[in-house]
Amino acid sequence: GENVEQHPSTLSVQEGDSAVIKCTYSDSASNYFPWYKQELGKRPQLIIDIRSNVGEKKDQRIAVTLNKTAKHFSLHITETQPEDSAVYFCAASPTGGFKTIFGAGTRLFVKA
Amino acid sequence: GAGVSQSPRYKVAKRGQDVALRCDPISGHVSLFWYQQALGQGPEFLTYFQNEAQLDKSGLPSDRFFAERPEGSVSTLKIQRTQQEDSAVYLCASSLAPSDSNQPQHFGDGTRLSIL
Repeated sequence: GENVEQHPSTLSVQEGDSAVIKCTYSDSASNYFPWYKQELGKRPQLIIDIRSNVGEKKDQRIAVTLNKTAKHFSLHITETQPEDSAVYFCAASPTGGFKTIFGAGTRLFVKA
Repeated sequence: GAGVSQSPRYKVAKRGQDVALRCDPISGHVSLFWYQQALGQGPEFLTYFQNEAQLDKSGLPSDRFFAERPEGSVSTLKIQRTQQEDSAVYLCASSLAPSDSNQPQHFGDGTRLSIL
């Protein structure tokens, strides 16, 4: 069935370093790929998204790349800060009709 | 309000009881999604509404789960004869346009359901 795989499940970096999270998806019909940040006990919040007609998108310290041929997309955070510590989820949409399928999440720790 | 509102924030029920969870989407949003989020996992799709029409309910885990959005705004997720495995956070999200229009989803804070 449709799925989104996300790696790594946990990532620990030093403040100021870069962090990279990778996802692969199975449904070739997916054409929208959002990334969400979720702090403990809070709602997921959209941080960046990319559509299938674009290969890369950047917003300040955050960038996302998409390789449709390989069904692979990645989140890049540069100059990480302690407040970047959270769980990050990738997603692919639509999948199998109207669904959005989420990855299992990456817990990012940024050490001061 | 400005965002998606869900109530109650916390619900504790005994196994076998029925529960109802409410979602108030952002005004004017066409799309409404329900997700189930287990501890340490990503949100899992349950069902999708476009206005009042339930277009996809393929993620509902059993016939004990039922969702409605009768007037195309507020939605209710009902779980009958609750089981312990139903314990999770139930998230609602809304989006301005239909699901295939590639618009971001805005999430509520969720309802944390605990079945004893």
